[in-house]
Amino acid sequence: EADIYQTPRYLVIGTGKKITLECSQTMGHDKMYWYQQDPGMELHLIHYSYGVNSTEKGDLSSESTVSRIRTEHFPLTLESARPSHTSQYLCASSESGNYGYTFGSGTRLTVV
Amino acid sequence: EDKVVQSPLSLVVHEGDTVTLNCSYEVTNFRSLLWYKQEKKAPTFLFMLTSSGIEKKSGRLSSILDKKELSSILNITATQTGDSAIYLCAVQRIQGAQKLVFGQGTRLTINP
Repeated sequence: EADIYQTPRYLVIGTGKKITLECSQTMGHDKMYWYQQDPGMELHLIHYSYGVNSTEKGDLSSESTVSRIRTEHFPLTLESARPSHTSQYLCASSESGNYGYTFGSGTRLTVV
Repeated sequence: EDKVVQSPLSLVVHEGDTVTLNCSYEVTNFRSLLWYKQEKKAPTFLFMLTSSGIEKKSGRLSSILDKKELSSILNITATQTGDSAIYLCAVQRIQGAQKLVFGQGTRLTINP
């Protein structure tokens, strides 16, 4: 079944560690997005990609980086995690011409 | 700066009641408005509205866009406890990446 997968679902990690949040979709969508959502707050776009080898910064500044080497894979990396990075990270994808997003289940990150 | 504002932020009603959720926006180069339902995991797509005055319906849920008033409403009739969720409104700009700007959401609680 076509879907979008995020791993891990939950992550508790110490300050200064490098982490990578995984996002993969099996729908062949060309556009992919990372949103950050604090509890009770709106989703903020932090990165997006038009397609392979295309990545752009979103509306909310973020210290994370992304890569898009394959259509289906859009990982997000934090080189040195800090408590201010504690949040939920949601990955989404969409097909050109179809404006609805498909969201992954999210990764809830806690940096201690 | 683009802005999407939802009201109320929180709503508690009894099963069987009808609710109306509001969304207003200030977005340059508006393309479409989308409604999502977010329970514990990923937001799930409900409606996409592009034309003013045309109601979209899905079972007990319906939504309509008013481009003149820069707003939209989401109606839920005969509410059930399974309707309890956060309802997100998002607006899409006319841009290549199909990025969404989200409101802060309305937390709806349906009591039996």
